[in-house]
Amino acid sequence: GNSVTQMEGPVTLSEEAFLTINCTYTATGYPSLFWYVQYPGEGLQLLLKATKADDKGSNKGFEATYRKETTSFHLEKGSVQVSDSAVYFCALRGDDMRFGAGTRLTVKP
Amino acid sequence: DSGVTQTPKHLITATGQRVTLRCSPRSGDLSVYWYQQSLDQGLQFLIQYYNGEERAKGNILERFSAQQFPDLHSELNLSSLELGDSALYFCASSTSGMSSYEQYFGPGTRLTVT
Repeated sequence: GNSVTQMEGPVTLSEEAFLTINCTYTATGYPSLFWYVQYPGEGLQLLLKATKADDKGSNKGFEATYRKETTSFHLEKGSVQVSDSAVYFCALRGDDMRFGAGTRLTVKP
Repeated sequence: DSGVTQTPKHLITATGQRVTLRCSPRSGDLSVYWYQQSLDQGLQFLIQYYNGEERAKGNILERFSAQQFPDLHSELNLSSLELGDSALYFCASSTSGMSSYEQYFGPGTRLTVT
């Protein structure tokens, strides 16, 4: 079945550092890929999405490119802020929705 | 605020009991999804309804059931509760049941089984 694997955290960075959170997937067909963010005590919020190969999703300085050849959808941001501290989930939507385990990011001033 | 509401926010109950969690989707959304988030299992998809009909099923136990009503709100029923059912239960909604449509999540119901 479909599955998502993302890098384990926690990840701790200093403000203005470069962020990469790796995500790879296994799927049949042509799934849509998403990154969601969860702030403490809240539900998940959609951060960005890509619906086909080579699509780039972007939002709030975050980017991820749907790479079919490497089955990856890595999340990147050039300069993180303290307010980016949260848990990030990679997700795949095929016949059903699959989420990665989540990566906790802490950004220190 | 995503526009998805869930009640109650917190629920504490005993093993063997039955509870009902309620979800109201965003206005106009036809699809409702239920998820369980626990420390050991992560975020798991339970079930999806689209316009009143079951559309997809994930890792939902037989002790759990759900339905979507004509006004599109949904309820998740959990019975014969066990300690391991303690978790955050999220509801999400989307405009369509299609894979490319993003889901909007509610704030969750925290269930504690003692």
